[in-house]
Amino acid sequence: QVQLQESGPGLVKPSETLSLTCAVSGGSITSFYWNWIRQTPGKGLEWIGYMYYSGSTNYNPSLKSRVTISGDRSKNQFSLKLSSVTAADAAVYYCARRDTAMIAGFDYWGQGTLVTVSS
Amino acid sequence: DIQMTQSPSSLSASIGDRVTITCRASQSISTYLSWYQQKPGEAPRLLIYGAFYLQSGVPSRFSGSGSGTDFTLTISSLQPEDVATYYCQQSHSTPYTFGQGTKLEIK
Repeated sequence: QVQLQESGPGLVKPSETLSLTCAVSGGSITSFYWNWIRQTPGKGLEWIGYMYYSGSTNYNPSLKSRVTISGDRSKNQFSLKLSSVTAADAAVYYCARRDTAMIAGFDYWGQGTLVTVSS
Repeated sequence: DIQMTQSPSSLSASIGDRVTITCRASQSISTYLSWYQQKPGEAPRLLIYGAFYLQSGVPSRFSGSGSGTDFTLTISSLQPEDVATYYCQQSHSTPYTFGQGTKLEIK
């Protein structure tokens, strides 16, 4: 059974970089798309971007200038970095897996981690 | 970006009722549409992908239909455990986008 687990600071200061990691167990990150998605009461669910094990990435244009998603095959995990955060970046952040087929949905999710932005 | 619009935003139904939630895309997305169920404090759960394919382990009372711009999620006989918020999501093109959600309650 595939399991995803987010980890990282729950509190980030404005203008600093948010860094989260998603540990994957029960399957390898050397296939599938590995995604970050966030959720706020105001904007709902927002796809941030994905990485593929080959190193290719695809980011939401609304965040592209501030986002980096990367993977570590040796640890079977992938990470999110979001720079220059503001209060608008406060959200529950999820990591999720998606198959490469276009019809695929996000079939496995982490439990989510709440990130607050405050000085 | 492709905008996904769900209706209604909330609904209340009785146990055993047939429930229908609609999702409309701002442009044609073929059948690249998924549905999710989210309960409070939990991550979304994939119910339907490819507009009508039932995800493994999901009860058969859930079904999906539609293509192009108009899609429907149907619960054939509402159960107490179906109380949740439901979201649609398109995978036709990035950025992937979600509907705003439909909150389902028991009457």
